[in-house]
Amino acid sequence: AQSVTQLDSQVPVFEEAPVELRCNYSSSVSVYLFWYVQYPNQGLQLLLKYLSGSTLVESINGFEAEFNKSQTSFHLRKPSVHISDTAEYFCAVSDVRGGSYIPTFGRGTSLIVHP
Amino acid sequence: SQTIHQWPATLVQPVGSPLSLECTVEGTSNPNLYWYRQAAGRGLQLLFYSVGIGQISSEVPQNLSASRPQDRQFILSSKKLLLSDSGFYLCAWSPLLNSPLHFGNGTRLTVT
Repeated sequence: AQSVTQLDSQVPVFEEAPVELRCNYSSSVSVYLFWYVQYPNQGLQLLLKYLSGSTLVESINGFEAEFNKSQTSFHLRKPSVHISDTAEYFCAVSDVRGGSYIPTFGRGTSLIVHP
Repeated sequence: SQTIHQWPATLVQPVGSPLSLECTVEGTSNPNLYWYRQAAGRGLQLLFYSVGIGQISSEVPQNLSASRPQDRQFILSSKKLLLSDSGFYLCAWSPLLNSPLHFGNGTRLTVT
């Protein structure tokens, strides 16, 4: 079974500074990788995904993540954060089980952007 | 377009009482359906998933059960709630292959 590690439970950063949220997963033959964002008292929303192709994927609001197979990592980055980026971020990995894809989630990283 | 509805948004129940949380999906057919529980600092724990009507897979043995009486309806139940059942419960759906999950807005359950 897959396991997902998000080493940082909380990342404080000042507005307009760069940020990196780390995600590592256990190795597997075939994986699909996701980042989700959760605002307070809401469900999770997909931020970006890697299924195949280019190892660098981008979201519409300036986040990007790079799939590194050798390091089994999928770190999330943004060159300049906004106050509105304050939220919980979850990394997820899908593996094939029972004919459907069952994502395993990390414990989440709370991004706190200070003015 | 597809939408997912989950209710109620918040629920306070005494220990030993029953539980029923409902989730419905609109705009798609034969979705994969999931129930997750989120506890503070512990991420999302997969409780149940279903690939079709009447098909339920349980990931963690516990005080909860799930049912899928209709194609787009997924119900989470308990006969007798425990204090440890408190948490934020999330329903989600996905198409069959290679697709990310779409989550409902969650139910905050407090067992007193």
